[in-house]
Parts: sequence; C-alpha cells; structure tokens
Amino acid sequence: EVQLLESGGDLVQPGGSLRLSCSGSGFTFSRSAMSWVRQAPGKGLEWVSGVSADGGGTYYAESVKGRFTVSRDNGKNTLSLQMNSLRAEDTAVYYCAKHLGGALRELLYFGEISFWGQGTLVTVSS
Amino acid sequence: QSVLTQPPSVSGALGQRVTISCTGSGSDIGANHDVNWYRHLPGTAPRVLIYGNSNRPSGVPDRFSGSKSGTSASLAITGLQAEDEADYYCQSYDSNHYVFGSGTKVTVL
Repeated sequence: EVQLLESGGDLVQPGGSLRLSCSGSGFTFSRSAMSWVRQAPGKGLEWVSGVSADGGGTYYAESVKGRFTVSRDNGKNTLSLQMNSLRAEDTAVYYCAKHLGGALRELLYFGEISFWGQGTLVTVSS
Repeated sequence: QSVLTQPPSVSGALGQRVTISCTGSGSDIGANHDVNWYRHLPGTAPRVLIYGNSNRPSGVPDRFSGSKSGTSASLAITGLQAEDEADYYCQSYDSNHYVFGSGTKVTVL
C-alpha cells in the first residue's frame, strides 16, 4: 500500500524558516518524481515545487523561487522542502505528492499526481 | 504563472449530469499539454479522477469522463451521487510549472 507521511508543519514567525519532510513507502521511491502542493485557507490547490526521481531536476513556482529548496534522499525514501524567508501568504496545508512518472528528468514528463499525502499545516504568523 | 479558470460552483440533482469547464491558454492546455482532474474533500488527500485528458485510473467509476479541445477541457459527471459532493480541480503544465484550476465545488441537490 502506497503511503506518504508528511511532517514538520508548525507555527513560525514571518521571516523564519521551516523544513518539511515526507516519508514514502509501499512503492519504489527512487523511481518516482515527487512534488509539493499547498492549499491556503479558503483557497485552491497550488503547485509549489517538483523534483525528478534522481533528484537532478528541481522546479519551483514563481511565488517560492529563491526561498524554498526541494531535495530528496532516495536511500531514506524521504522528500524534503526547506522553506526560508517565510511570509504570511505561505500559510497553507502542504501536501507531498507522488507522480506516476519518473523515468525522465524534465517536469513536463512527471505525469499526473497518482498519490497524495494527508498534508501538514504551516502557519506563518507573529 | 497562470491559474486555469473553472466555475466556482456547479450543482445538480441526484442522478443528473453536470459538467465542469477548465479554461486555459495557448501556453498551457492549448500547447497540447495533458489535463488531469482531481477530487478533493476538505481535510483529506486529493485523488486523481482523470489523467491524460480522458483516461480513468482503475477504481474510478465510468460516471466520470474527461475531454479536451483547444485551450479548454471539461469533466463530466453522470448519474450524480451524494458522495460526489466535493471540490474538483483541473491541472496542466506551462513552462516548467504545473498549474491548477481555480477549483469547482459540486453540490448535490
């Protein structure tokens, strides 16, 4: 059974940092492209960042580029999102997401999101 | 990057058919990029309903169907059931970004 378990969500002050983690099991983690998707309160889904199966291709939404860094440790089946210079508008539930594809490094070929985690809440507030 | 445009809400009676539109542009849907559809119940993990414009993953009832034409796509739900009440999102690709639709709340009357 595929499982994605996010952790690390917390209350943080504006300008602060936070690191989210996602542990994957039930599938070959090293063969799956992964993404982070968020949902702010009362808003829709927003793609945040993606990483290729081998970690060599990383991609970011314009709203987080330069502030967030995605990485993965295929030996530990773990996806991470380092979030710096956090803003109030980063407040959201962050979902870890597994793509169907993984053979190619380019984001275009990641394919649909075939499985989502339950999400972890990040609140940026003073 | 752009957000794909969906109607905020659609509603229908039990057993009826509803459709949700998803309007993009020449750089996303119109650039021949695939459209995927997800269902999301608040507080739960989203689930893929349609991938590659019109394909259903195993386990998704054939009441759900997707289509795409030009810069738009649509999701149709036939034989509307109470459990279909949820938020629905389309998703595509644009210039090294993934883009989601604005979301549509389906209400079963």
